[in-house]
Amino acid sequence: RKEVEQDPGPFNVPEGATVAFNCTYSNSASQSFFWYRQDCRKEPKLLMSVYSSGNEDGRFTAQLNRASQYISLLIRDSKLSDSATYLCVVKRGSSASKIIFGSGTRLSIRP
Amino acid sequence: NAGVTQTPKFQVLKTGQSMTLQCAQDMNHEYMSWYRQDPGMGLRLIHYSVGAGITDQGEVPNGYNVSRSTTEDFPLRLLSAAPSQTSVYFCASSPGGGAQPQHFGDGTRLSIL
Repeated sequence: RKEVEQDPGPFNVPEGATVAFNCTYSNSASQSFFWYRQDCRKEPKLLMSVYSSGNEDGRFTAQLNRASQYISLLIRDSKLSDSATYLCVVKRGSSASKIIFGSGTRLSIRP
Repeated sequence: NAGVTQTPKFQVLKTGQSMTLQCAQDMNHEYMSWYRQDPGMGLRLIHYSVGAGITDQGEVPNGYNVSRSTTEDFPLRLLSAAPSQTSVYFCASSPGGGAQPQHFGDGTRLSIL
């Protein structure tokens, strides 16, 4: 079983829809959590950090559930430009060796 | 504002050849890492460094060497290229540990024939 698991998708939703993905992690020592966005054939870019109390950045909301060991990303009023792969990233400590990437969830927004 | 710069962007090698992928950052970040990304596998850590003169192995280090003689540069060397090393390689840096996110270069697409 992978330490960080994501539904690979693809999620195919109409423009304006609300879409949510979850990411589960298996190591309870995980301390920091992030969502990255990766466009086709491009590098991953930080979308947002995920805080214990949940946080929002415009149309994006991230939640952390430590008891059930998952994080979620909610996208409201989706835009065509939101089409990308969303990577869940979990850090178990400060070392780079403790940073684990999920395989990503592919999202496609249709007009 | 260059951030993390990787060269080359594309490379084709023959089996057995060696080469060096370059990575440089201008943000004075202590932490630098090399990842490879294969379809369906996510990013896997090859080697990383927590500062100049210090390197360590990641999840998939075999067939690769690194060095960190300066804070800015973190080259990745393929010793004897194999088709299994065909992948997209990303270099990343971050200011330090803890909750600091990583900044990625735009990748090197490497094909080994």
